[in-house]
Amino acid sequence: AQSVSQHNHHVILSEAASLELGCNYSYGGTVNLFWYVQYPGQHLQLLLKYFSGDPLVKGIKGFEAEFIKSKFSFNLRKPSVQWSDTAEYFCAVNPNTGNQFYFGTGTSLTVIP
Amino acid sequence: EPEVTQTPSHQVTQMGQEVILRCVPISNHLYFYWYRQILGQKVEFLVSFYNNEISEKSEIFDDQFSVERPDGSNFTLKIRSTKLEDSAMYFCATTLETNSPLHFGNGTRLTVT
Repeated sequence: AQSVSQHNHHVILSEAASLELGCNYSYGGTVNLFWYVQYPGQHLQLLLKYFSGDPLVKGIKGFEAEFIKSKFSFNLRKPSVQWSDTAEYFCAVNPNTGNQFYFGTGTSLTVIP
Repeated sequence: EPEVTQTPSHQVTQMGQEVILRCVPISNHLYFYWYRQILGQKVEFLVSFYNNEISEKSEIFDDQFSVERPDGSNFTLKIRSTKLEDSAMYFCATTLETNSPLHFGNGTRLTVT
């Protein structure tokens, strides 16, 4: 069965620190990859997506993610976090063969001012 | 920006009661989904709906669950006889076409007592 793993459950950083959140998936075929963010009390919002082409994708608010096919990974990065980045981050995988999306367990990021 | 809206935001019900969770999709979207998130766990797929019928459903989506578009605008999830373990955040998501990013509503927090 397809699965998505986010190994960091809770990350605490100081402002201006660099961020990298891991995401690995198990699916042998072609996939579309997403990172969603959920700010406190709000709905899930799309941060960035990868469908094809350049494996380094840039999203909103300075986030980027790199698709490494050989490692089945799609890690999220940001060079310098801000307090406003405090949120829950979810990686999601959508196999190209269907319309189902598989989510990871999420990573809670707390940024300390 | 158009939004997916969900009502109610919080529903408390007794075990064995029926609940109906409502979602108003973005108007031109064609694919509709229900996901749930039990506290502290990952976002789980329940069901996808297209062209007025279920296109995919998970093992979670048993006979106690049903979905419909009663009036062409609302997209509802009904749980016939709620169980304690149905307590979760239920998210509606919609998308214009398959493999496109999901747009999520704010969710309905269901508490079964």
